[in-house]
Amino acid sequence: DSGVTQTPKHLITATGQRVTLRCSPRSGDLSVYWYQQSLDQGLQFLIQYYNGEERAKGNILERFSAQQFPDLHSELNLSSLELGDSALYFCASSVGGYSTGETQYFGPGTRLLVL
Amino acid sequence: SQELEQSPQSLIVQEGKNLTINCTSSKTLYGLYWYKQKYGEGLIFLMMLQKGGEEKSHEKITAKLDEKKQQSSLHITASQPSHAGIYLCGIGMDSNYQLIWGAGTKLIIKP
Repeated sequence: DSGVTQTPKHLITATGQRVTLRCSPRSGDLSVYWYQQSLDQGLQFLIQYYNGEERAKGNILERFSAQQFPDLHSELNLSSLELGDSALYFCASSVGGYSTGETQYFGPGTRLLVL
Repeated sequence: SQELEQSPQSLIVQEGKNLTINCTSSKTLYGLYWYKQKYGEGLIFLMMLQKGGEEKSHEKITAKLDEKKQQSSLHITASQPSHAGIYLCGIGMDSNYQLIWGAGTKLIIKP
């Protein structure tokens, strides 16, 4: 158990809908990272938040947004969902704000299926 | 990512045999990470290597970093069924704050 929790574990929804994925980092970790993992694209970095502020942005679509709240939990919002958004979404956390040199601890993931 | 290549893509090994997985970067490394993933589950941190020539071991898994070749190898000795899974390497790039990930190596252990 990494100490990172994600809810829900599974999500099935229809195209065009909007969903929210939730992540609680390990106690004491200030950074939260969101990743998308699909069969064809592999593990792709989406976005990082550090202590409530956006720190880095990766291959995140405009239809997706995220935020980190004062209690450091984070939410990833996916809207106008398409079939291609079906994937495993991971949250990871680390102590500081620099991904290089720090260990990221991953949550169990949310499996999203868009029908 | 084309910046990070893992080989082989998949590997089937008889239980008890040794094996090696490689991770090669096309860019300068600033830290290299090895993770293991069971199918459909989260990634489990194995090791982080930062300095050229660095070697770390955890149980029967050893990872080495060759900074000059921009390459890391992960070696498993006397493989067991518990070693089965997908091994992912990730590298830190100094110019930004994100990690770049390899496509993974799928390891199957035959009993």
